[in-house]
Amino acid sequence: AQSVTQPDIHITVSEGASLELRCNYSYGATPYLFWYVQSPGQGLQLLLKYFSGDTLVQGIKGFEAEFKRSQSSFNLRKPSVHWSDAAEYFCAGSNTGTASKLTFGTGTRLQVTL
Amino acid sequence: SQTIHQWPATLVQPVGSPLSLECTVEGTSNPNLYWYRQAAGRGLQLLFYSVGIGQISSEVPQNLSASRPQDRQFILSSKKLLLSDSGFYLCAWSDSNSPLHFGNGTRLTVT
Repeated sequence: AQSVTQPDIHITVSEGASLELRCNYSYGATPYLFWYVQSPGQGLQLLLKYFSGDTLVQGIKGFEAEFKRSQSSFNLRKPSVHWSDAAEYFCAGSNTGTASKLTFGTGTRLQVTL
Repeated sequence: SQTIHQWPATLVQPVGSPLSLECTVEGTSNPNLYWYRQAAGRGLQLLFYSVGIGQISSEVPQNLSASRPQDRQFILSSKKLLLSDSGFYLCAWSDSNSPLHFGNGTRLTVT
């Protein structure tokens, strides 16, 4: 079955440290992949998306993600975390371009210590 | 630019009472519209989606229903709420090949 897995429920990093949030997917063909961020009590905001082409994708707020077919991964990275990055992050995937078939991971909660 | 409005932001309802959550989108026409539910510690579950007026697809059997009376209006309803209906409900829209854009959500507590 098609799925998206985020193995880390909760991650804590110090402000200024680098960040990597893991996402693994299970799709037969190259999927469409997304990262969303959710602040407490808010909706989800799109950080970046991968459809095809360059496997390193740049997003908003200084985030980037790398699609690695050999590892079935689409990990989210940021070189230097800011306290305002504390939020919940969701990876999502689809085997079509339509959002109706989007599958979300269970999310990773990021805590940033000062 | 496109905007999505969802209300109310929070709602506390007794068991057995009806529910109506509303979502509207501005700045686009014929969007795809979605209702998601987010339970604590779990990901997002797609409840309903609509590709046009009066066209509703249900992803999971449940105590809820959805309607799309106008092109840019999407309503989530229930005749009698259950305790298990508590959660965070998110409305979203997309174009044919664009990512989802979410509203700010409604926190529903059924007591």
